[in-house]
Amino acid sequence: QKEVEQNSGPLSVPEGAIASLNCTYSDRGSQSFFWYRQYSGKSPELIMFIYSNGDKEDGRFTAQLNKASQYVSLLIRDSQPSDSATYLCAVNKPDSWGKLQFGAGTQVVVTP
Amino acid sequence: DTGVSQDPRHKITKRGQNVTFRCDPISEHNRLYWYRQTLGQGPEFLTYFQNEAQLEKSRLLSDRFSAERPKGSFSTLEIQRTEQGDSAMYLCASTVEPGIGNSPLHFGNGTRLTVT
Repeated sequence: QKEVEQNSGPLSVPEGAIASLNCTYSDRGSQSFFWYRQYSGKSPELIMFIYSNGDKEDGRFTAQLNKASQYVSLLIRDSQPSDSATYLCAVNKPDSWGKLQFGAGTQVVVTP
Repeated sequence: DTGVSQDPRHKITKRGQNVTFRCDPISEHNRLYWYRQTLGQGPEFLTYFQNEAQLEKSRLLSDRFSAERPKGSFSTLEIQRTEQGDSAMYLCASTVEPGIGNSPLHFGNGTRLTVT
């Protein structure tokens, strides 16, 4: 079992709709959770991070964390063609800040 | 732009050659990380420095790989006797150590290595 799992996609989303991405992790001790967006051929770009159970909103993005169920999700509201990218979920264990475990990413395609 | 800077952006080399990459972190960041990303996968941790000290190395970092951060500022990653399996994007990131602030990692633009 991989430490961080994501559906590879592609997730096809009509423009203006909500994209919902899920990520599960295996280590219950994980404390910090991150979502990165990666365009083809480019490096990952941090878009959200969440440390506590519940929701965290930033613009059109909402991260949701449920530590009991060991999942973290990302919602993208009013999806735009520019949101088409691969979204990487990353998890940080305690006492190893910066040593992230990444999922393989979910490809999102927003169709006009 | 005061983000993490990596050089070169692309490197094509023949199998068996040595290559060296450079990373300049954000100036006030004392932690520097190297990751590697292959096609279709998420980045994988290789090693990290706090100031000039290399504190951890992944098992992915074979003997052919060496990383340095001689003055606690920029870092270099050298791969000796490159193999085709070394072809990947090499990513650098920096942050401050925990306790000063749990600042998330921001990656540089990466160095894409192609070994022919």
